[in-house]
Amino acid sequence: AQSVTQPDIHITVSEGASLELRCNYSYGATPYLFWYVQSPGQGLQLLLKYFSGDTLVQGIKGFEAEFKRSQSSFNLRKPSVHWSDAAEYFCAVVTWGNEKLTFGTGTRLTIIP
Amino acid sequence: DGGITQSPKYLFRKEGQNVTLSCEQNLNHDAMYWYRQDPGQGLRLIYYSQIVNDFQKGDIAEGYSVSREKKESFPLTVTSAQKNPTAFYLCASKRDRDKQETQYFGPGTRLLVL
Repeated sequence: AQSVTQPDIHITVSEGASLELRCNYSYGATPYLFWYVQSPGQGLQLLLKYFSGDTLVQGIKGFEAEFKRSQSSFNLRKPSVHWSDAAEYFCAVVTWGNEKLTFGTGTRLTIIP
Repeated sequence: DGGITQSPKYLFRKEGQNVTLSCEQNLNHDAMYWYRQDPGQGLRLIYYSQIVNDFQKGDIAEGYSVSREKKESFPLTVTSAQKNPTAFYLCASKRDRDKQETQYFGPGTRLLVL
């Protein structure tokens, strides 16, 4: 069964600092990978996705992620965080022919001034 | 504006009561999904529908029921058989049931038990 691991439950970074959120997946077939962001009490907004091609994908709000097949990872990065980036971030994976989008347990990001 | 709407934003359920959560989309998407979100557990799939008048169970369907009578609507009923219904419920949709595409989410409904 496919699974997604986000090893960091909570991360705190200073405003203006760089950010990397980790995501590892477990599945034999080629995955389709997503990062979503959720503000408190809100739905999920898509940040970026990887389906194929260039393994470095750019998303909204200055985020990017890199797919590394050898490490089964799809880490999310941002060079300089803003206070408005404080939210919960979810990595998700789906494989071809499978309707089930499997989510990680999320990483809560806190930004300090 | 195109999008997914969920209502109500907050819903209270009494013991033994069935409640229905609404999900409507005007994106002309084929597939629709219901997820349950609990703190620290991510999102779990309850039910999904790829076409009108057809739906499939997800991982945690027990105590829930759905219908898909119209393409734009996919209501979720939380029945009295669901013993722990307190959670945040998210509806999502995807454009093409035959392609692997992005799922887009509504704003969610928080269900609380009185």
